[in-house]
Amino acid sequence: DAKTTQPPSMDCAEGRAANLPCNHSTISGNEYVYWYRQIHSQGPQYIIHGLKNNETNEMASLIITEDRKSSTLILPHATLRDTAVYYCIVRRLRAGSYQLTFGKGTKLSVIP
Amino acid sequence: DGGITQSPKYLFRKEGQNVTLSCEQNLNHDAMYWYRQDPGQGLRLIYYSQIVNDFQKGDIAEGYSVSREKKESFPLTVTSAQKNPTAFYLCASSIGQGGETQYFGPGTRLLVL
Repeated sequence: DAKTTQPPSMDCAEGRAANLPCNHSTISGNEYVYWYRQIHSQGPQYIIHGLKNNETNEMASLIITEDRKSSTLILPHATLRDTAVYYCIVRRLRAGSYQLTFGKGTKLSVIP
Repeated sequence: DGGITQSPKYLFRKEGQNVTLSCEQNLNHDAMYWYRQDPGQGLRLIYYSQIVNDFQKGDIAEGYSVSREKKESFPLTVTSAQKNPTAFYLCASSIGQGGETQYFGPGTRLLVL
């Protein structure tokens, strides 16, 4: 299994960029990196995913290193509503089905 | 509105009773999943179904059962054999079994009295 390592918590000032790191040093060549976030007592919300290239959508940017052993999720202008637990996940193939394994994630607190 | 609905939001159960959690989706997704989340922890996979009338055990299937008689519905039964059922239960779906993005419902919090 390609496990991920994330810092347990981070703070970010409102309006500044939030950069959330993730290590996945055992990732295989065809495994995608996914990011989800979970606001307290709600279901996880999909943010973005990528394989090799950097990706950007309306919510965030995903920067994946060339060796694919780590990645960074960037929220360009953090707001108070971005306070949540952010999960970095390497999607794995198991018994013919792709599965997501959620760790404890990073608790991001956006400070006014 | 398209999406995944779970009901109820809160559910109370007496010890020794079975209870069924509902999950419905109108996204026309083939695959559906059930996860359990304990306080301060990540999600753990209970069961998943890639197609109607088929389902597979996840990492923590003991004490749980599921059915998939309709594409849009994937109910989870927490049986009396589940020794620690108090948790937050999350249902998800994805377009197919090819590894597409999973989308989650709002969750059901189960409390054992």
